[in-house]
Amino acid sequence: AQSVTQLDSHVSVSEGTPVLLRCNYSSSYSPSLFWYVQHPNKGLQLLLKYTSAATLVKGINGFEAEFKKSETSFHLTKPSAHMSDAAEYFCVVTPNSGGYQKVTFGIGTKLQVIP
Amino acid sequence: GAVVSQHPSWVICKSGTSVKIECRSLDFQATTMFWYRQFPKQSLMLMATSNEGSKATYEQGVEKDKFLINHASLTLSTLTVTSAHPEDSSFYICSAVTSGNGELFFGEGSRLTVL
Repeated sequence: AQSVTQLDSHVSVSEGTPVLLRCNYSSSYSPSLFWYVQHPNKGLQLLLKYTSAATLVKGINGFEAEFKKSETSFHLTKPSAHMSDAAEYFCVVTPNSGGYQKVTFGIGTKLQVIP
Repeated sequence: GAVVSQHPSWVICKSGTSVKIECRSLDFQATTMFWYRQFPKQSLMLMATSNEGSKATYEQGVEKDKFLINHASLTLSTLTVTSAHPEDSSFYICSAVTSGNGELFFGEGSRLTVL
């Protein structure tokens, strides 16, 4: 079994300030973890992923996330928010094994960037 | 990276008609594809798991006769919304799992509006 919890449904930051979007997971097996971004009326775009390699993962657009097994967390960060970062962000967990897989989505965090 | 293409990206249809949405993995083989529905301001809800060459597995509460899924090849899965009604209007997204390392890729989504 697995689950993912995005602790904030809405985050508001000023342009140029750091971004922190929180995600905690639970999994009975070794997980793969992802962050996706969704702009209005668009599909999901992969920001970054953790698949049992380096625990600090760098993604596109300056985002990064750190896998912390002891804290069962995979928080998404960015040093300086840009207006174009305003979107919905989803934390996703899957089993890190081959074959049949199921995906569990967090409820999403809406990021607002204030000019 | 791998590409998953959905078509059409948006469709408007009359109530009572059927609509087919295609999900293609363009540069990899996908033994498993997933179909999701996204309600406004909510996360993605898994509708069904589509396995190549076998019947789809539907999540609880999803009408299999309403949402027909066919996974005829390793690169194509289709979702047909039969006898569509306005309440079927939604954003439908597919994802595909690579048969090699089990990575997950999403299509860009298809917005269905039923008049």
